[in-house]
Amino acid sequence: AQKITQTQPGMFVQEKEAVTLDCTYDTSDQSYGLFWYKQPSSGEMIFLIYQGSYDEQNATEGRYSLNFQKARKSANLVISASQLGDSAMYFCAMREVSYSGAGSYQLTFGKGTKLSVIP
Amino acid sequence: EAQVTQNPRYLITVTGKKLTVTCSQNMNHEYMSWYRQDPGLGLRQIYYSMNVEVTDKGDVPEGYKVSRKEKRNFPLILESPSPNQTSLYFCASSLRLPRGELFFGEGSRLTVL
Repeated sequence: AQKITQTQPGMFVQEKEAVTLDCTYDTSDQSYGLFWYKQPSSGEMIFLIYQGSYDEQNATEGRYSLNFQKARKSANLVISASQLGDSAMYFCAMREVSYSGAGSYQLTFGKGTKLSVIP
Repeated sequence: EAQVTQNPRYLITVTGKKLTVTCSQNMNHEYMSWYRQDPGLGLRQIYYSMNVEVTDKGDVPEGYKVSRKEKRNFPLILESPSPNQTSLYFCASSLRLPRGELFFGEGSRLTVL
């Protein structure tokens, strides 16, 4: 089973509108972290936002917020007031933290959602 | 400037010709990792390293080797490249913390003919 599922291969949003990118995850760990990254057409990976499994508040970073629903195992990214520069691939990722042995800090990525912002 | 540096950024090679993609970070990060990105498949982890001399396989390690002799360097070695290793490769590093965000290199686009 996939650990990270992004069900929207592509999405369109009108400039200045808000958009939600979906992400569901699968883990049996109690301690884990969820990340969102942006990859513009130039190819670099840009960190956007982080949510820890024990964080009580939803994470926010400027126009980005993370709608974290732990019981549903979802961590959707909300972009408010979309801009043309938001057009990019967006990846959701999860880090499961295992303290057995050497510990494990692997980050597993979803397949991504391509967001296109329409003027 | 804090960064992860990969070289080469672009490479075209032929089947069977050994190559190494270097990766270096200047942030004193314990954790380093290699990913490959292919269309429709997202980023898949090849190998990772928790610290010097500690490496482990990710999800797609076949055909690759790594070493971590120094904290700052984590080269990816393709002993005998094949066309199915044509991909975009990313090196990344982070602090060994649950909240540690991954810092990515700029990517290395490899074509194996």
